Amino acid sequence: EDQVTQSPEALRLQEGESSSLNCSYTVSGLRGLFWYRQDPGKGPEFLFTLYSAGEEKEKERLKATLTKKESFLHITAPKPEDSATYLCAVQASNSGGYQKVTFGIGTKLQVIP
Amino acid sequence: DAGITQSPRHKVTETGTPVTLRCHQTENHRYMYWYRQDPGHGLRLIHYSYGVKDTDKGEVSDGYSVSRSKTEDFLLTLESATSSQTSVYFCAIRFRELSGNTIYFGEGSWLTVV
Repeated sequence: EDQVTQSPEALRLQEGESSSLNCSYTVSGLRGLFWYRQDPGKGPEFLFTLYSAGEEKEKERLKATLTKKESFLHITAPKPEDSATYLCAVQASNSGGYQKVTFGIGTKLQVIP
Repeated sequence: DAGITQSPRHKVTETGTPVTLRCHQTENHRYMYWYRQDPGHGLRLIHYSYGVKDTDKGEVSDGYSVSRSKTEDFLLTLESATSSQTSVYFCAIRFRELSGNTIYFGEGSWLTVV
């Protein structure tokens, strides 16, 4: 069974204090790993898709990396507006017709001014 | 903006009543999904559709039905709402891109069953 574990569950950072969020996964053949940002009362907002180990993608202060067992979301010099819950999800290559995507519970990030 | 509109955004209903949530998309995407999100659980797939009148079950489909009579609309129905169906429901669509597929979500429908 596909599994996604995100850590830590919650993270509190001072503005400007860089850190990383972890997403460990177990999947039979990775088709894609997704990162989303979710603000309270909103739907998940797509950030990145990573497809193979070694791949990296960046967007503003965020950088996502992928290995064969985990992904990291690095946040460089975060600002208060980066406060949100960050979700990780994986899609297996043998997930059937509906392209099943398994989500983690998320990491709640709070950036203090 | 993925062009997804969910309605209603908030609803309170009584146990045993039927409830229908609507998802509307503007870009003719083939695949549409209904997820629910609950504390302590990741997003879980309820039902999905891969075309007009083509639907199938996801992980947590018991107590739910869906219909898709037009490409742009995907309806989720709770035939007889229960308190365990109090949740936030997200509609999603799949974008096919050069490098693969990505799922985009709507803004959510908050349902409370009392």
